Amino acid sequence: QSVLTQPPSVSAAPGQKVTISCYGSSSNIGNNYVSWYQQFPGAAPKLLVYENNKRPSGIPDRFSGSKSGPSATLGITGLQTGDEADYYCGTWDSSLSAGVFGGGTKLTVL
Amino acid sequence: QLQLQESDPGLVKPSETLSLTCTVSGGSISNSNYYWGWIRQPPGRGLEWIGYIYYRGNTYYNPSLKSRVTISIDTSKNQFSLSLNSMTAADTAVYFCARHVYSNSLVNYWGQGTLVIVSS
Repeated sequence: QSVLTQPPSVSAAPGQKVTISCYGSSSNIGNNYVSWYQQFPGAAPKLLVYENNKRPSGIPDRFSGSKSGPSATLGITGLQTGDEADYYCGTWDSSLSAGVFGGGTKLTVL
Repeated sequence: QLQLQESDPGLVKPSETLSLTCTVSGGSISNSNYYWGWIRQPPGRGLEWIGYIYYRGNTYYNPSLKSRVTISIDTSKNQFSLSLNSMTAADTAVYFCARHVYSNSLVNYWGQGTLVIVSS
């Protein structure tokens, strides 16, 4: 059971937009920065968004992050088949004094 | 370019201790802006944070693993290591070493990962 809650799967058609939610609490998302990671099968996760809404260099602006209270959202616009992957949110939990992740969301581009 | 490379222990027997080393190249492990840590992922499942260490030796561990985990650092070799004792089949996973940003504890760089199988 993950500390952060994500939907197991989402799907949308190519060219459409999708959002992936990540729910936590005041001890984690509510008072700490959130990152989002993309993971393809057999590969390491890759940083997509950090500090809630910032993108590392090389990440297209089709990917965006936001945060409100104890929840965070990853948005992906202009979906491409190459976006099919697992997506994870992560943050620090101040009560646990530990890093925490969501259970992951599998994105299918129909 | 920064690279993090995990050692490859392969198969570990139940009750034994896992020892993994992460070698950092393209950057200094003594950089005060980062923690260096470990994250694992059981087959077909999500990510689990194990812990991290600062170059001065300060450590933070996942409470659920704390009794079995030790993370150490060797700045002279630009390496840090994970020791996990009393291994069981539930510890079978891909183990990633990762760089965390000091200011917010978020992971911003991952090693490629190494699969550890616990089996007799």
